[in-house]
Amino acid sequence: AQTVTQSQPEMSVQEAETVTLSCTYDTSESDYYLFWYKQPPSRQMILVIRQEAYKQQNATENRFSVNFQKAAKSFSLKISDSQLGDAAMYFCASVTQGGSEKLVFGKGTKLTVNP
Amino acid sequence: EPEVTQTPSHQVTQMGQEVILRCVPISNHLYFYWYRQILGQKVEFLVSFYNNEISEKSEIFDDQFSVERPDGSNFTLKIRSTKLEDSAMYFCASRQQRNEKLFFGSGTQLSVL
Repeated sequence: AQTVTQSQPEMSVQEAETVTLSCTYDTSESDYYLFWYKQPPSRQMILVIRQEAYKQQNATENRFSVNFQKAAKSFSLKISDSQLGDAAMYFCASVTQGGSEKLVFGKGTKLTVNP
Repeated sequence: EPEVTQTPSHQVTQMGQEVILRCVPISNHLYFYWYRQILGQKVEFLVSFYNNEISEKSEIFDDQFSVERPDGSNFTLKIRSTKLEDSAMYFCASRQQRNEKLFFGSGTQLSVL
C-alpha cells in the first residue's frame, strides 16, 4: 500500500524568501507519479507540480520546484520568491502508474506567508 | 483552462436523508472520481468510475454510497441515508487518460445535522 507523510503541519516564510516543504512516501511500485497540490482557503484543489518517478530531472513550474530523491523516497517542494498568494495548505500525493488509480494524499502542510 | 463543475457548493441535510451531489466533468474526459475531505484532515479517495462502471472503491464507499453517470455529462454521488460523519467537503475529479493531470472541482461542502 502507498503511504505519503508530511512531517510539517505548519510552516511560515517571509514574503520574497524561499521555503521548502517536506514529503516522504512509501510504495512497492516502480512506476508512479508524485504531486503537490495547493488548497487555498476556498478549499479548491489546485495542482502545483507533478513528477514522474522514471524521470531523474526535477520538475519545475515557475517559482515552484521539487527535489525528488527516489532512493530516499523523498519529494520536497521549494517555493522561491514567496508571495502572499502562496499562503495555503499544501498536500503531497502519489499514484501508481498501473494498478490502483487512487491518489493517496499526505496530511498537508499549512504555509503562512508573512509580509 | 477547462473546469470541473460541482453543484451545489454547500448542502445542508438532516441525518438519515438522501443527498445527491452533482458534478459535470470536463467534456472529453473518460475517468471520473470522488474524493472527500473531512475538515482539518487529508483528502481521501472514495471511488473511481470508467466506462460506465466503478473501477475501484475505498472501504469508505459502503452500501450507502452510489455513483451514476446518467446522461453522459453529469456524474453524481448519492448518499442514501446520511450520517453525521458524512459531513465533509466532497470533491469530484476527472481526467482524459490515466496518469494525466487530474482536474478537481471546487467541491461541495456537505453538512449533516
